[in-house]
Amino acid sequence: KNEVEQSPQNLTAQEGEFITINCSYSVGISALHWLQQHPGGGIVSLFMLSSGKKKHGRLIATINIQEKHSSLHITASHPRDSAVYICAVEPGGATNKLIFGTGTLLAVQP
Amino acid sequence: ETGVTQSPTHLIKTRGQQVTLRCSSQSGHNTVSWYQQALGQGPQFIFQYYREEENGRGNFPPRFSGLQFPNYSSELNVNALELDDSALYLCASSPALTNTEAFFGQGTRLTVV
Repeated sequence: KNEVEQSPQNLTAQEGEFITINCSYSVGISALHWLQQHPGGGIVSLFMLSSGKKKHGRLIATINIQEKHSSLHITASHPRDSAVYICAVEPGGATNKLIFGTGTLLAVQP
Repeated sequence: ETGVTQSPTHLIKTRGQQVTLRCSSQSGHNTVSWYQQALGQGPQFIFQYYREEENGRGNFPPRFSGLQFPNYSSELNVNALELDDSALYLCASSPALTNTEAFFGQGTRLTVV
């Protein structure tokens, strides 16, 4: 079993829909990251959070430390949101290495 | 743009050869981490360098080695390449060791034939 699990693995939505991607983890963490990866490989950091909720534009990330669960929400989705969304946890200790989930492939259709 | 640049962007090597990948970290960042991402998988941690010293290593064999230079740029070296080493190699720089945002390069896609 992976230490970081995401669901769904694939998601197709119509433009304008509200989207939720879930992440569960089984290790203790100091922080959780949500990242976006476009075709070609580049990864962009969306959020880093260790408690509560953060909002940036149409993106909202929440985390429940007790339940070891986080969600990424996209409001009013747009085709340009199509990408792979990856959840990664920082287990803490002496490094800030990240343990990644396998990602959620999101396709938003016009 | 994250300010982290990797070179080359694509590379084809033959099994048994050696390869060096390079990462120029964002200005002011003293920590660089390297990840291997196989097709359809999430990235896997290879190792991290902090102020020119290795500071943590994932489950990769010794033929994966690295360096960090005084300007905090970094190299990943892989000896005796195997077919399974074909992957996207990502580097990420950050301004501190813990609880900081990571800034990723575009990656180097290595194909071993």
